[in-house]
Amino acid sequence: EADIYQTPRYLVIGTGKKITLECSQTMGHDKMYWYQQDPGMELHLIHYSYGVNSTEKGDLSSESTVSRIRTEHFPLTLESARPSHTSQYLCASSEWRSGSSETQYFGPGTRLLVL
Amino acid sequence: QQPVQSPQAVILREGEDAVINCSSSKALYSVHWYRQKHGEAPVFLMILLKGGEQKGHEKISASFNEKKQQSSLYLTASQLSYSGTYFCGLRSYNTDKLIFGTGTRLQVFP
Repeated sequence: EADIYQTPRYLVIGTGKKITLECSQTMGHDKMYWYQQDPGMELHLIHYSYGVNSTEKGDLSSESTVSRIRTEHFPLTLESARPSHTSQYLCASSEWRSGSSETQYFGPGTRLLVL
Repeated sequence: QQPVQSPQAVILREGEDAVINCSSSKALYSVHWYRQKHGEAPVFLMILLKGGEQKGHEKISASFNEKKQQSSLYLTASQLSYSGTYFCGLRSYNTDKLIFGTGTRLQVFP
């Protein structure tokens, strides 16, 4: 069972507000990921990190930014929220193992609604 | 390019079997299968590596055809708890990112 947490679980906010979605994991995993998922649709990678001070943009363009100051923490920030940002945001982490392919463990997600 | 899953949706009676397919246009290193229930996070089911096959969960198994760049997930004697959306996540060579498929919605009725 993976220990990865996201807060808040639900967020309703007005246009133009700055928001930060929190993601923490207690497994000591080096790699962490942010995905965006619309209801019933596929997951799109928006950011990932190989470790502390490492951040990379994913396959889906996003106006959000991330930081990785500590191994266990990978927050996502939107400087100015817009209705087009309304979606579910899923955080995941994984650990590299020799001779294997990493399994990603997901947090419960944050459902964001921008009015 | 995003992996394609088929079928898009499956409706089953309890105890029936189902097969979900996932295909890619790229050479694959590994295939990961996840199940996501409504309003919840995806849950890892199993992983298949190039040259191998691993069973990971309940009465669910999977195959990986490297030449065809395809994977299939087999659900036997389905249970109500199998309901959800199934995603394949594909990892190609020279990358450690997963690209997720379009999803297959499975509904099991009593």
